[in-house]
Amino acid sequence: EIVLTQSPGTLSLSPGERATLSCRASQSVSSSYLAWYQQKPGQAPRLIMFSASSRANAIPDRFSGSGSGTDFTLTISRLEPEDFAVYYCQQFGSSPLTFGGGTKVEIK
Amino acid sequence: QAQLVQSGAEVKKPGASVRVSCKASGYNFMSNGIHWVRRAPGQRLEWLGWINSASGKTQYSEKLQGSVTFTRDTSADTAYMEVSGLRSEDTAMYFCARSSSSYMHDAFDLWGQGTMVTVSS
Repeated sequence: EIVLTQSPGTLSLSPGERATLSCRASQSVSSSYLAWYQQKPGQAPRLIMFSASSRANAIPDRFSGSGSGTDFTLTISRLEPEDFAVYYCQQFGSSPLTFGGGTKVEIK
Repeated sequence: QAQLVQSGAEVKKPGASVRVSCKASGYNFMSNGIHWVRRAPGQRLEWLGWINSASGKTQYSEKLQGSVTFTRDTSADTAYMEVSGLRSEDTAMYFCARSSSSYMHDAFDLWGQGTMVTVSS
């Protein structure tokens, strides 16, 4: 099983600041099979990035993804109030499909 | 617009079974697979498995193999998950999620709202 480790666990930032979230895999993951999700309290997760660097429908361009192999990054260039949430990475190339433990982006 | 609507919360006793439904609308149900995911309190999201909506082919997480069953009713555009032999550790929020293609190895581009299943004596 591929274990995904996200860091930091919590990121305390102000609106307008840049957020950098990390996802490290226990073994290599093809970038084609790496996704990021956003989840707000009381809501289901929402796909924001697939294939490591492709934005999902209606996701603004302040979100970007990068990485390969075992290290992947989600960057939010300038935080908007609606971006404060928990973010999860996921690999779906190898069964069982697995998720990271999440990074909470909170308002400082 | 496309959506997945799940059935309501359930409270079950240990050893019982529970069935959760996931009704699709706004898209061609048979074009996309359905995954099932859960999050137990304090735990990370856990993938339970997948069903191909067209063929009914399934793939289960080894951890839950034998205790979970996925089915679908194409006439009702609905997928179902049944968990049997419930234990307290099965207390969790259960989600269905659409695979962005008919293929299992694809991102989850649409999620249901979640169904809380509580196992308690």
